[in-house]
Amino acid sequence: DGGITQSPKYLFRKEGQNVTLSCEQNLNHDAMYWYRQDPGQGLRLIYYSQIVNDFQKGDIAEGYSVSREKKESFPLTVTSAQKNPTAFYLCASSSPSNQPQHFGDGTRLSIL
Amino acid sequence: EDKVVQSPLSLVVHEGDTVTLNCSYEVTNFRSLLWYKQEKKAPTFLFMLTSSGIEKKSGRLSSILDKKELFSILNITATQTGDSAIYLCAVAKNFNKFYFGSGTKLNVKP
Repeated sequence: DGGITQSPKYLFRKEGQNVTLSCEQNLNHDAMYWYRQDPGQGLRLIYYSQIVNDFQKGDIAEGYSVSREKKESFPLTVTSAQKNPTAFYLCASSSPSNQPQHFGDGTRLSIL
Repeated sequence: EDKVVQSPLSLVVHEGDTVTLNCSYEVTNFRSLLWYKQEKKAPTFLFMLTSSGIEKKSGRLSSILDKKELFSILNITATQTGDSAIYLCAVAKNFNKFYFGSGTKLNVKP
């Protein structure tokens, strides 16, 4: 079955530590996205990528970094510069045509 | 600045009630408006609207778009406890960029 796989489901970060969230898709989609969701809130765009080796900052990119070396993969690193990382992180992908995004099941990140 | 505003932010109803959720937008290069339902994890797609005045229906849910007044509504009739969720509205722009509203949290009580 085609879909988006995010791992891990739960992640704990210590102070000063960088952590990386994985996102893999087998839908052959060109575009991939990372969103942050705080409790009871909507989705805020962190980074997005339209094609391999290219990505753009979203509305809340500070303290985060991404790479897009393969079409299938779009990992997100939460750096120590992100002072309030506790949130639910969702990865999504979409095709170039006017189609809805597909979402992964998310990673819940907490601070130890 | 592009923005998508949903109202109300939260809503409590009883089973059998009808609810209307609102989504207004100010987005350049509008391509489509989407509604998603989010329970615990991934948002699930409900509707995509591109043209004004054409109602989309799926069971007890329906939605319509007004591109002149820049808003959409999502109606749920005969609500059930399984409808309890966050309902997200998103607008797709050119170049595959999506803007989400803050969501409406719906709680349907038995």
